[in-house]
Amino acid sequence: NAGVTQTPKFQVLKTGQSMTLQCAQDMNHNSMYWYRQDPGMGLRLIYYSASEGTTDKGEVPNGYNVSRLNKREFSLRLESAAPSQTSVYFCASSVTGANTEAFFGQGTRLTVV
Amino acid sequence: QKEVEQDPGPLSVPEGAIVSLNCTYSNSAFQYFMWYRQYSRKGPELLMYTYSSGNKEDGRFTAQVDKSSKYISLFIRDSQPSDSATYLCAMRRSNDYKLSFGAGTTVTVRA
Repeated sequence: NAGVTQTPKFQVLKTGQSMTLQCAQDMNHNSMYWYRQDPGMGLRLIYYSASEGTTDKGEVPNGYNVSRLNKREFSLRLESAAPSQTSVYFCASSVTGANTEAFFGQGTRLTVV
Repeated sequence: QKEVEQDPGPLSVPEGAIVSLNCTYSNSAFQYFMWYRQYSRKGPELLMYTYSSGNKEDGRFTAQVDKSSKYISLFIRDSQPSDSATYLCAMRRSNDYKLSFGAGTTVTVRA
């Protein structure tokens, strides 16, 4: 059972480049989330999708877009990467919208130079 | 000021010691409290979950919530080197999707 799978695991981008982070879960969860983790800041919610077909902004949505492709997949897109977006990105999923028991992926380490 | 404050440590203890971790928060509307464990270069995994005030025990782990003081704690008894990780507190309001996380405390248990 793979759980939550994120690709890629590592990425280096130049300022202004775009990329999409992929996330897929095989637990039949309704809700999915994208967080970023920075030193001393904890995890901050970027976007979430309470259910298939819906997405909402979290705490730090600027510079990002998301797509809930189907129940399994939730992608995060950086249209024009900036050095401030250097971070570790985590995708998570939960059974319901109340994400008390969120399951996290292994993370994507993104560096923007 | 952050909604959730957590001392980042690092905290180093000998094997067998009791590890004590805590978080304070400012939002009195928080009702659900969680502790996540995160090993180096891995995603967080849920360790303990508590609703409202009180204690919860699971094996060597005990979580405490004191809503009157806006203070939560995690205790690890008989600590093992395998407990070396970063521990993140998290909390949310009722019917709210968003979790508010502390910055995490890095713990090292020395063999």
